[in-house]
Amino acid sequence: RKEVEQDPGPFNVPEGATVAFNCTYSNSASQSFFWYRQDCRKEPKLLMSVYSSGNEDGRFTAQLNRASQYISLLIRDSKLSDSATYLCVVNSYSGAGSYQLTFGKGTKLSVIP
Amino acid sequence: NAGVTQTPKFQVLKTGQSMTLQCAQDMNHEYMSWYRQDPGMGLRLIHYSVGAGITDQGEVPNGYNVSRSTTEDFPLRLLSAAPSQTSVYFCASSFRQGAVGLFFGSGTQLSVL
Repeated sequence: RKEVEQDPGPFNVPEGATVAFNCTYSNSASQSFFWYRQDCRKEPKLLMSVYSSGNEDGRFTAQLNRASQYISLLIRDSKLSDSATYLCVVNSYSGAGSYQLTFGKGTKLSVIP
Repeated sequence: NAGVTQTPKFQVLKTGQSMTLQCAQDMNHEYMSWYRQDPGMGLRLIHYSVGAGITDQGEVPNGYNVSRSTTEDFPLRLLSAAPSQTSVYFCASSFRQGAVGLFFGSGTQLSVL
């Protein structure tokens, strides 16, 4: 089983739509979770961290379900500028003071006028 | 406010040539890392460093060397380029390993013919 799995998409949604992405992870000892955004031919950028209680940043809501080992990202009122690939990232403690960041392969979102 | 500076942006090599990708950060980050990103593969860790004088291997280290003589710089050396090393390379840094917020350079598109 892959460590971090995402639906690659593409998700093609009209402007104003609500869209949700899920990501599953296999390491039950994973400690912290993030969503990154990557525009075409650009570097990934941190979008938001994901907390157990769920967290919101404007139109974006992230949630974590430790029991089922998945995280989600909800985007409300989609904008054209939201078109990008969204990467799920999981941080796990790997022993001896070291951490391992594992990236999902990303979910591509296209917001259509 | 430079952040993570990566050079060159593009490079074409012939098989067997060597080269160094440069990475510098001005945020006094302890942790620096190199990733490669290939279509359908996601980001894969090549090498990383948790401080000056300390480096370690990531998931795909073969064919690459690194050194960390200063906090700011973390160059990646390709010893004898192979077509399989054609990829997009990203340098990234954070305050410490496992910290929230991995900052990426703008990437190097490398083609090995």
